[in-house]
Amino acid sequence: SQQGEEDPQALSIQEGENATMNCSYKTSINNLQWYRQNSGRGLVHLILIRSNEREKHSGRLRVTLDTSKKSSSLLITASRAADTASYFCATVNQAGTALIFGKGTTLSVSS
Amino acid sequence: EPEVTQTPSHQVTQMGQEVILRCVPISNHLYFYWYRQILGQKVEFLVSFYNNEISEKSEIFDDQFSVERPDGSNFTLKIRSTKLEDSAMYFCASSGQGTNNQPQHFGDGTRLSIL
Repeated sequence: SQQGEEDPQALSIQEGENATMNCSYKTSINNLQWYRQNSGRGLVHLILIRSNEREKHSGRLRVTLDTSKKSSSLLITASRAADTASYFCATVNQAGTALIFGKGTTLSVSS
Repeated sequence: EPEVTQTPSHQVTQMGQEVILRCVPISNHLYFYWYRQILGQKVEFLVSFYNNEISEKSEIFDDQFSVERPDGSNFTLKIRSTKLEDSAMYFCASSGQGTNNQPQHFGDGTRLSIL
């Protein structure tokens, strides 16, 4: 299986703190994507990082990718209560036709 | 911003009955997908659809499942004879290009409850 797997499964922090979530995968990839899911809602795309990129930023989000270790991390800086959600990494299957999701990290940010 | 819309938001069906879940992808998107998420578990790929045919399907997508794009806007998932284990959130997604190049845009899902 080439599924990404996130670590930790759950993370609780205070507002203003940084949150780091990690993802590991097993096979070579074209790109890796991070999604957020608020409770009872669909997945929202956050960042797509290609295999030839090492780091990407979007607002308070920073994603790194280490293809030699087959791992990625998502850093949310200065977290807010509204960041409370589940975060998933996803890799693309070999045919490029589907996303393969990990089990996700549940982030709780308390004020 | 354009959205993927799914109806109904919640569907309750007796075991053995047929159910059709409906999706309206983003209008200029060409690639369409269905995923499901059993409560407390990961999101699982079911099927991808491009150019009016299935481009990939998972082992979950057996003969009880079918997809259709009946017109220029709708994309449907049909489960022919539902089982208890089909109870899950079903998400539709679309993308303008293949997944190697662009992210997918998801709807808010249909919660399917099989009694």
